[in-house]
Amino acid sequence: QQQVKQSPQSLIVQKGGISIINCAYENTAFDYFPWYQQFPGKGPALLIAIRPDVSEKKEGRFTISFNKSAKQFSLHIMDSQPGDSATYFCAARQNTGRRALTFGSGTRLQVQP
Amino acid sequence: EADIYQTPRYLVIGTGKKITLECSQTMGHDKMYWYQQDPGMELHLIHYSYGVNSTEKGDLSSESTVSRIRTEHFPLTLESARPSHTSQYLCASGQVENQPQHFGDGTRLSIL
Repeated sequence: QQQVKQSPQSLIVQKGGISIINCAYENTAFDYFPWYQQFPGKGPALLIAIRPDVSEKKEGRFTISFNKSAKQFSLHIMDSQPGDSATYFCAARQNTGRRALTFGSGTRLQVQP
Repeated sequence: EADIYQTPRYLVIGTGKKITLECSQTMGHDKMYWYQQDPGMELHLIHYSYGVNSTEKGDLSSESTVSRIRTEHFPLTLESARPSHTSQYLCASGQVENQPQHFGDGTRLSIL
């Protein structure tokens, strides 16, 4: 059972466009929502993260939007660049028990020049 | 650039061999993690450590074992490798509990 559902599986965006990746969850005990960026042959890197007490967090061209009532959060990449081409993973951390991260299945983003 | 290193990057080995995957970090992080990732799939936590002499199993059952004798070193061992162990293994570290910040580049393991 996948606790964090990520979509789309793949995404092609033109340079300068906006890339949007969505994640949805069911477990209301999640309290921390990070996004990771992974280039081919590399490990993931923490990109940006949000907690459920805020609805939006922006860092440069990357923005997380969080909708607590809908149990959804999304990553927006503004002015997408070919260098943004990578696989993006959302994740969520439970605030009880072991509190381990649960990852989404990933979105492969390709930004065309 | 994060200072977390994994060796080897690639390993192809026969069934039944004992394997140790190395992971070292120079950031002094207490928290370290091992994840398993199949191609194009999500990461699954198999082991974690919150400090020296502290290790716990993750959500995904794994026949591997880990040790944490030094803060900077978190090796993973498979006593007898099987084809089902073929996967990519990623090591990570961080300062805050269950917030892995830095990942190594992984070890791609293939058991014949």
